[in-house]
Amino acid sequence: GQNIDQPTEMTATEGAIVQINCTYQTSGFNGLFWYQQHAGEAPTFLSYNVLDGLEEKGRFSSFLSRSKGYSYLLLKELQMKDSASYLCAVRDWKGGYQKVTFGTGTKLQVIP
Amino acid sequence: GAVVSQHPSRVICKSGTSVKIECRSLDFQATTMFWYRQFPKQSLMLMATSNEGSKATYEQGVEKDKFLINHASLTLSTLTVTSAHPEDSSFYICSARNGQGDGYTFGSGTRLTVV
Repeated sequence: GQNIDQPTEMTATEGAIVQINCTYQTSGFNGLFWYQQHAGEAPTFLSYNVLDGLEEKGRFSSFLSRSKGYSYLLLKELQMKDSASYLCAVRDWKGGYQKVTFGTGTKLQVIP
Repeated sequence: GAVVSQHPSRVICKSGTSVKIECRSLDFQATTMFWYRQFPKQSLMLMATSNEGSKATYEQGVEKDKFLINHASLTLSTLTVTSAHPEDSSFYICSARNGQGDGYTFGSGTRLTVV
């Protein structure tokens, strides 16, 4: 199975930078996703990493180290609307089919 | 592009009745759909993987006779909660690989309340 860990809650200041970490343990690793979810809404896709390194997309960047089972999501120039839960999800291949499993999510509160 | 339509968005049903939730990919074909359940303040828990034209694959602890999944076409998957109980009240959400790189698209979710 999978074990995906991320902090439960974080608080950061508007305009600042915040890093949300995710560690995982799995076999058959085939990619890591970050999603943003506002309360009561469906998750929205932020980023995808399958190779080691940094993927940058505007104010959001995601990093992956497969050997360490580690990823982080970096949010720059924080805005109040960034207050949401951020979900780390890992895809793996088992028995010929793919499965995406989510971590418990990190609730980020952006304060003025 | 890559839209998954899920309905109903909200449903209230009486204990003991059955509820069907539909997820439809509107502009792409989804050979595989994933069904998740999310309890308040918790993350999404994978319930089952729905495969077009074959039986669904259920996660450990999920009763396949209670949560019936049908994926009869490349654009439609349904989840039926049978003999619903108050503890089945939750947010149910589907997702499908959208064919755009490695992206997955989520439906808008269904808030089920069993009274």
